[in-house]
Amino acid sequence: DAGVIQSPRHEVTEMGQEVTLRCKPISGHDYLFWYRQTMMRGLELLIYFNNNVPIDDSGMPEDRFSAKMPNASFSTLKIQPSEPRDSAVYFCASSLYRSGQPQHFGDGTRLSIL
Amino acid sequence: AQTVTQSQPEMSVQEAETVTLSCTYDTSESDYYLFWYKQPPSRQMILVIRQEAYKQQNATENRFSVNFQKAAKSFSLKISDSQLGDAAMYFCAYFRGGSQGNLIFGKGTKLSVKP
Repeated sequence: DAGVIQSPRHEVTEMGQEVTLRCKPISGHDYLFWYRQTMMRGLELLIYFNNNVPIDDSGMPEDRFSAKMPNASFSTLKIQPSEPRDSAVYFCASSLYRSGQPQHFGDGTRLSIL
Repeated sequence: AQTVTQSQPEMSVQEAETVTLSCTYDTSESDYYLFWYKQPPSRQMILVIRQEAYKQQNATENRFSVNFQKAAKSFSLKISDSQLGDAAMYFCAYFRGGSQGNLIFGKGTKLSVKP
């Protein structure tokens, strides 16, 4: 079975540009999570969805960040405008709705803002 | 708030030897789950092992096993017969049972395997 699919794998863009990261969760999974990984702060949860509805976005750093899940098989994380401090690896993960079910991660998107 | 602490930023092990990675956590909950994830240089996050807090038996997955000490809030990972492919960052993570919440990760331990 296919795992969580993220695109692009790498993204390099200039400051001020809009960046869109994409995620396809594992089919049948009810939960979708967006994480950011940096050397300084480690892995941080940005937002998560349940059945396409955003449940907790308290980890979204600023209004420049937004996330959507228009259907069960697709989610986007958008940064507009991007800044150099947004450079990080962004992970998408999905899981089944049963307590304690493990989250399955995509390969991540390495984002570099110049 | 729950916290997860990995006190060893880096560890090293000789190939074929055994190594133990430490993890402690802080919670007032009785129902929770603990995980170890592996992140090799390819940056994938790979689930290694999972432990339910209500189970006293330590989880095992082939060469990987845990020592779960609930009273001490300790959850260490033992890797037996270490292989070169075990070299990676290892993250300990906590999940509160019955919640719809997120994983709380430790800062990670970088494991090197010497041939």
